[in-house]
This record gives sequence, structure tokens and C-alpha cells, in this order.
Amino acid sequence: SDELTQPPSVSVSPGQTARITCSGDALSKQYGFWYQQKPGQAPAVVIYKDTERPSGIPERFSGSSSGTRVTLTISGVQAEDEADYYCQSPDSSGKSWVFGGGTKLTVL
Amino acid sequence: QVQLVQSGSELKRPGASVKVSCKASGYSFTNYHMNWIRQAPGQGPEWMGWINTNTGNPTYVQGFTGRFVFSLDTSVSTAYLQISSLKAEDTAIYYCARSVGSENWFDPWGQGTPVTVSS
Repeated sequence: SDELTQPPSVSVSPGQTARITCSGDALSKQYGFWYQQKPGQAPAVVIYKDTERPSGIPERFSGSSSGTRVTLTISGVQAEDEADYYCQSPDSSGKSWVFGGGTKLTVL
Repeated sequence: QVQLVQSGSELKRPGASVKVSCKASGYSFTNYHMNWIRQAPGQGPEWMGWINTNTGNPTYVQGFTGRFVFSLDTSVSTAYLQISSLKAEDTAIYYCARSVGSENWFDPWGQGTPVTVSS
């Protein structure tokens, strides 16, 4: 299956570490990408190619990959990190893009 | 800076058509391909396909064939999405997004165009 599975929600207190996982068979062969979407805004990339962070993205955002899972880690979570996070990867053929269902990060 | 600016929100009757524009600035338009993404209310993004900005050749994902048309006007660095025979289930926010990097991920995205189909 080329589906990507994410937990619907993750909650953390400010200053703690949030980990959001994304699982899918295609991830064993393809890179994972992470997008942040705040209410009323378009998604924006925060991690590309599993672990790379675009310029302008805070260092507290990091990514990792193992087998069929990629993980977005936000260290020292801040209130402004509250958002929906979507993983994305090519399907197993590499010809189509698939998004995960999204994870709502709540900062308590 | 690199920017994609989309046209404004649309309210349409079932059966009508709509054309959404996406104007690029801050980079050479034909150097990067353009994607279209749908986000239904309360749902995650769904990739609709992409258009080759060099050749104008579109590629549509299954489920977005027939009523959906991607086009370009390279003279004004603008991509278009046209949807015909609108249905209530087409109600969504439609985004354009530039393909970047060796793996063609999406950056940046336009601000989105809400399309509401209602009688």
C-alpha cells in the first residue's frame, strides 16, 4: 500500500519534545517530507528528504527515517508550533505524491 | 522573493465552471514545474497532478481527469486550474505549489483559493 499513516493528534507542554510519526511501505524506498499548516494558511515545508531543514526553519525541527517510518521531532516546543503537520512521499512507483492524513499538534 | 499568488475565493452553482489562477514571481517560471493540490474541508491535502511549465504538458492523478484542466500562460508567469461541471463535492481550497529540488517537493505554495459549490 502507498498510504501514509499518521497519528491524528499529539499533545505536549511547552518546552517538551514532540514526535510525530508517519508510516508507509513506500517510505522504505522513498524520501519523506513534512509540511506545517497553521489555521487559515497554506502548508509550508519544514523538513525535506527525510532529514533536511530548509533555510529559515528553526533548528528545533528535525527529521529522521527508519525502515517504513519517518519521524518529525520538534525539540523545545513553542506555542507557535501548534499546527497541523502532514507527511508526504512519492508512491512506490515514484510517479505520484501521497500525503498522510495529518497530525494536529496541540501545545498545552 | 519567490511567491505564488492565487486568485480570490469563488462561489459557484452546481454545473458551472471555475478557473483559478496562480501567478508566480521572484523566479524564472519555466524553470520549475507547477503542482495543483486540493484540500477539502477538514481534510488533508490531495495531490491533483502537475504541469510541465516548459512544454505545457499536464499530468492528472486518477480522480482528477475529465473535468479538470491545467494550463499556462508563460508570458505572464501564470498557471491555471479550470474545473467544469462543478459538483458540491468539489468544494475545497485549491492550492498551486512549485516543484523544487531533485525530488520535486512543494515549495512554496500559493495562499489557496476557496471554491464553494452550492445551489
